[in-house]
Amino acid sequence: KAGVTQTPRYLIKTRGQQVTLSCSPISGHRSVSWYQQTPGQGLQFLFEYFSETQRNKGNFPGRFSGRQFSNSRSEMNVSTLELGDSALYLCASSTALAGDYNEQFFGPGTRLTVL
Amino acid sequence: GEDVEQSLFLSVREGDSSVINCTYTDSSSTYLYWYKQEPGAGLQLLTYIFSNMDMKQDQRLTVLLNKKDKHLSLRIADTQTGDSAIYFCAEVSYNQGGKLIFGQGTELSVKP
Repeated sequence: KAGVTQTPRYLIKTRGQQVTLSCSPISGHRSVSWYQQTPGQGLQFLFEYFSETQRNKGNFPGRFSGRQFSNSRSEMNVSTLELGDSALYLCASSTALAGDYNEQFFGPGTRLTVL
Repeated sequence: GEDVEQSLFLSVREGDSSVINCTYTDSSSTYLYWYKQEPGAGLQLLTYIFSNMDMKQDQRLTVLLNKKDKHLSLRIADTQTGDSAIYFCAEVSYNQGGKLIFGQGTELSVKP
């Protein structure tokens, strides 16, 4: 079974631009979660999508948004990029329904650098 | 809000045991996890423990859970240089809709 894939792996943008990151979950997984990882803040939860609906959301500004398609693939978008958005963005997929054992399988991440 | 805390660094010699500690605050957590992150990679689930267990052993890994003190530890026996990585503990926060809350990660350095 193929693992979680994320594209692109590396991205360089400038302040004010917008960016879209893509995540393809493991086949059969309907839940996709996104995390931001930075040296200062660690791993922070962005949002989770399940069956095309946002089921949970972290404490990030509205510049961060996401969506999920009917094939469970997910995208996240960051508009008006700031220097502080430079981070590793990780996507994780899971079969779990809310409240169940929630083993998440992580992709390798997209390294975003904002100049 | 819910919080998970870990020490940031641990250095051990090859062949020694490593113990990585974690404290959490959400008493509703049912599952607690240990993830490993190698340089340039995503997170890999190492092991987990269900909250009604005190201990779980899986080959070289032993997880201890003290639910009263909300303390979780991961022991790696016979630590190898390939174990050098960042280790994250995480809890499922039902108070926050079932999302995973991660600690800051403990960087384990194994010296030959």
